[in-house]
Amino acid sequence: EVQLLESGGGSGQPGESLRLSCVASGLTFSSYAMSWVRQAPGKGLEWVSGISGHGGTTWYGDSVKGRFTFSRDNSKNTVHLQMNSLRVEDTAVYYCATGVRYFDYWGQGILVTVSS
Amino acid sequence: QSALTQPASVSGSPGQSITISCTGTSSDVGVYNFVSWYQHHPGKAPKLMIYDVNNRPSGVSNRFSGSKSGNTASLTISGLQAEDEGDYYCSSYTTSSTAVFGGGTKLTVL
Repeated sequence: EVQLLESGGGSGQPGESLRLSCVASGLTFSSYAMSWVRQAPGKGLEWVSGISGHGGTTWYGDSVKGRFTFSRDNSKNTVHLQMNSLRVEDTAVYYCATGVRYFDYWGQGILVTVSS
Repeated sequence: QSALTQPASVSGSPGQSITISCTGTSSDVGVYNFVSWYQHHPGKAPKLMIYDVNNRPSGVSNRFSGSKSGNTASLTISGLQAEDEGDYYCSSYTTSSTAVFGGGTKLTVL
């Protein structure tokens, strides 16, 4: 059974940084591109960022480009999302998911709150 | 990139069929057969229902089907059941090697 477990969420002020992690089990991790998808309160799903299976290529949505960095450690079946220069509008539940073309497995999500 | 366009809500009675549309552009829906659909219940992880326009993952009921014409994709649910109620999102891969979601459609089973 594939499981994805996010951690590292919490609260921060505008301009601060937070780091999310997601550990995967039950799959050949390095064979999967990975993505982060978020849902702001009362809003729909928004794709945030993706990373290739080997970690050499990353992609970002316009709203986070230049502020967020996606990385992975295939030896630990883990991905990380470094979120810098946080904004109030980054407040959301963040989901870790497999894939970029489509998202077949999802974590339960973790809440990030940015407020002053 | 702009979100794909979905109706805010649809409804149907048990046993009926409903269709949810998802309109994009020639940079996403119209150029690739990489449209997917997700069912989302509040507080839970989204669930993949359809991928690559019209493919169902193992375990998803054959009451769910997908199609595409030009820049518009569609999800059809036949034989509507109470458990189908929830939010549905479409997504497409784009020419920028990114992904984009629709705004979501709330399905109500009357």
